Amino acid sequence: DAGVIQSPRHEVTEMGQEVTLRCKPISGHNSLFWYRQTMMRGLELLIYFNNNVPIDDSGMPEDRFSAKMPNASFSTLKIQPSEPRDSAVYFCASSYSTEAFFGQGTRLTVV
Amino acid sequence: AQSVTQLDSHVSVSEGTPVLLRCNYSSSYSPSLFWYVQHPNKGLQLLLKYTSAATLVKGINGFEAEFKKSETSFHLTKPSAHMSDAAEYFCVVNSNNAGNMLTFGGGTRLMVKP
Repeated sequence: DAGVIQSPRHEVTEMGQEVTLRCKPISGHNSLFWYRQTMMRGLELLIYFNNNVPIDDSGMPEDRFSAKMPNASFSTLKIQPSEPRDSAVYFCASSYSTEAFFGQGTRLTVV
Repeated sequence: AQSVTQLDSHVSVSEGTPVLLRCNYSSSYSPSLFWYVQHPNKGLQLLLKYTSAATLVKGINGFEAEFKKSETSFHLTKPSAHMSDAAEYFCVVNSNNAGNMLTFGGGTRLMVKP
């Protein structure tokens, strides 16, 4: 298995633009997580899906952030409009039982 | 509710000396516990896991951790540090009560001096 695949690996965008991050979980996994990592705040859980249904989105910072999981093999995290403070590394992880497997992350820079 | 506390944000050791990274957890249920490692500019890699079998768990790269229920601890150790062990380490708990909700500790940055 190729593991959790995230795209793009790097994204640079201007403030105000829409950004879409993509994630393909490991086949057969039924849970998917989106995390954000910054130097100041460390690793934060943004949203958690189980069987494609959002279970906990309390970590989503504000209405500018939205996440979808239309099927078991794909999820997106969208930021609209983006702001410089959204600059971070965004990780997607998937899980079947107890442990999660992480993608390589998307490094987002908003200028 | 579940939580994880990593007692040291930074640990510095000399190459060849033992490593101890401390982790305490709280959980309302019988937890699963994990250690993940993150090398600079990389994703998180599972180092080892405890899921209610043997309390002493061996992981990759010579690391091991011991689950101590009475102390609610899951400290990570390695007998002899290598330069390549320099990374950030995260202790993680899954209470197994509903879904697969993971809670991360704040991380410990391990520095290895030559």
